[in-house]
Amino acid sequence: GAVVSQHPSRVICKSGTSVKIECRSLDFQATTMFWYRQFPKQSLMLMATSNEGSKATYEQGVEKDKFLINHASLTLSTLTVTSAHPEDSSFYICSASIFREAFFGQGTRLTVV
Amino acid sequence: GENVEQHPSTLSVQEGDSAVIKCTYSDSASNYFPWYKQELGKRPQLIIDIRSNVGEKKDQRIAVTLNKTAKHFSLHITETQPEDSAVYFCAASKETTDSWGKLQFGAGTQVVVTP
Repeated sequence: GAVVSQHPSRVICKSGTSVKIECRSLDFQATTMFWYRQFPKQSLMLMATSNEGSKATYEQGVEKDKFLINHASLTLSTLTVTSAHPEDSSFYICSASIFREAFFGQGTRLTVV
Repeated sequence: GENVEQHPSTLSVQEGDSAVIKCTYSDSASNYFPWYKQELGKRPQLIIDIRSNVGEKKDQRIAVTLNKTAKHFSLHITETQPEDSAVYFCAASKETTDSWGKLQFGAGTQVVVTP
């Protein structure tokens, strides 16, 4: 199957700082990628749709100024958590689709201290 | 928007028994229904999916059924094994140009298979 890779897999940052997470489609091009957030023992919640060459589309309740998404190429989308706070600590997962199937990155565990 | 409900939240079964997880969806335009298995700290893995032009699909010990009229779909795992223990998520999606790959997930079911 296709491969989607996320980096870093784990990150710890101080409250008030910003963190960038990368999502790459390694062997295919993706004009659209999706970002999800998963709190412990909960489901994956769609945060936003990342569109190559245009603005991201955010789900209701997700602050676009806090979660900055950039999709500058057909193989890379980045999610920047700005001014992170402890409540932003979560598991962030991206996905991209090809051949009518969604492929997920390995996820990024963000801990804000 | 789409709302997906999933039951039960936890399911304990004896090895060799069957497990059934049920989901309902709200948007009649949804036409793609995948099931994922997720182990702790890992990415979701697709185990089976079904599209709205099909009522049932089977892959070895795993099967999915879809009732479009009632807007519900179910996952069936037969002859369960300890390695089937994980969290299972259902999801729904509309396969359109604008939303292809955009998934709304159910709350998840923790399946525990006891030897």
